[in-house]
Parts: sequence; C-alpha cells; structure tokens
Amino acid sequence: DGGITQSPKYLFRKEGQNVTLSCEQNLNHDAMYWYRQDPGQGLRLIYYSQIVNDFQKGDIAEGYSVSREKKESFPLTVTSAQKNPTAFYLCASSIRQDSETQYFGPGTRLLVL
Amino acid sequence: AQSVAQPEDQVNVAEGNPLTVKCTYSVSGNPYLFWYVQYPNRGLQFLLKYITGDNLVKGSYGFEAEFNKSQTSFHLKKPSALVSDSALYFCAVRDPRGGADGLTFGKGTHLIIQP
Repeated sequence: DGGITQSPKYLFRKEGQNVTLSCEQNLNHDAMYWYRQDPGQGLRLIYYSQIVNDFQKGDIAEGYSVSREKKESFPLTVTSAQKNPTAFYLCASSIRQDSETQYFGPGTRLLVL
Repeated sequence: AQSVAQPEDQVNVAEGNPLTVKCTYSVSGNPYLFWYVQYPNRGLQFLLKYITGDNLVKGSYGFEAEFNKSQTSFHLKKPSALVSDSALYFCAVRDPRGGADGLTFGKGTHLIIQP
C-alpha cells in the first residue's frame, strides 16, 4: 500500500448523513482516483483528479463529491443522495493521469447503520 | 468502450502445481494490461503490467503473464503455486489513446491453493 493512506479503516453512516473518507499520498503523484468495490463486481471508478483544483466524474459519480485542494489529498464525501453506500472504497494514485500504473491505498469499509 | 472479462469466479489449485488465472479484454487500440492482487480487507497490490515489447511479462512473487493479441488475452500464470498465493486477483485494462480516466477492472477471480 506504500505511500497512500486512507482513513478511517471502518466508517458507519446513519440515514441522511454525509460522511467523508480521507485519502493522502506522499508519492508526489499528480493523479488520484476513487473506486468503489462491491462483491462480485470488481472495482468501479467514482471520481478522478489529474491535477490540483481539477477533477472529473467517473462511471458512478452520483451521490458522491470530491475536492482536490492539495496535491497530496483527495477526500471523498458520500452524500445522503447515495442510497446504497455500503461498499469498500479504494483510493489510488499515479504519477500522471495517463501514467501506466496506479497504486492503491488500504481501503475504507463503509457500513450503514 | 474498454472491457475486461475474467471468466472464472474461482480457481482451485493444489500446492506445487502450476496455476493459470484467465483474462480477456476488449479495447479499440493497443491495450495497457495489468494484474493486481488483493488480500482480505486490504487494498490492491500491483503484480505486473504489459505496455509494449515482449509478450511474456514477469512480475512480483514469481508470477508472469502472456499477452496474446490474436486471442485478446492476458492470462496470469505461475509455475508452482504456494498456499500464500491464495487471494483475489484482478485483471485491468486501459486504452492509452482513448483519453481514458481510470482503469477498467474485471470482476476478479478467487484463487485458492490447497495444501
């Protein structure tokens, strides 16, 4: 997982609540990504960011929001509009957006109370 | 659009036997191909990649993969399986021409190595 940290490891959300997942990297990578992992479905891209103050929607962005105010940080907010938030969330980074290899953090498991 | 198929949900292999985890892909151009491994409740670890050059790619922990353009496949292999190889394996693809954002992943294959 080296160089990418995610917190918390487990997160519980109540109905109607927004929660924010943290992702930090010290690899000096320009690009960062958020994926959602559900059993039997592989990983699906939520949002990605190529540089600071810029980000784009991925395949399943509805109900999520992000910010990229610093190069090393790319927090993900799961809003109350996301009706099925229970999943394992993975953050990744790469040297550039078109770089070959993405490196992943250890993940955050989000559960709904 | 790019896509990846991992046709087997689970592969069972006896320790010491060779293993193969299958992956086929679909992209419009020449693909970038990747294999990642995931242990329970952990992030993904990069194993190996094919970008260009030799079709046989060697990676971490004794794994290798062969790029076959005619069959659009990128199967993961290891000559002698270890119990510690038991994990969830993901194949991923990216079309470098398409302005693609993230990687497109297969659904994953559970590899179980039996002692």
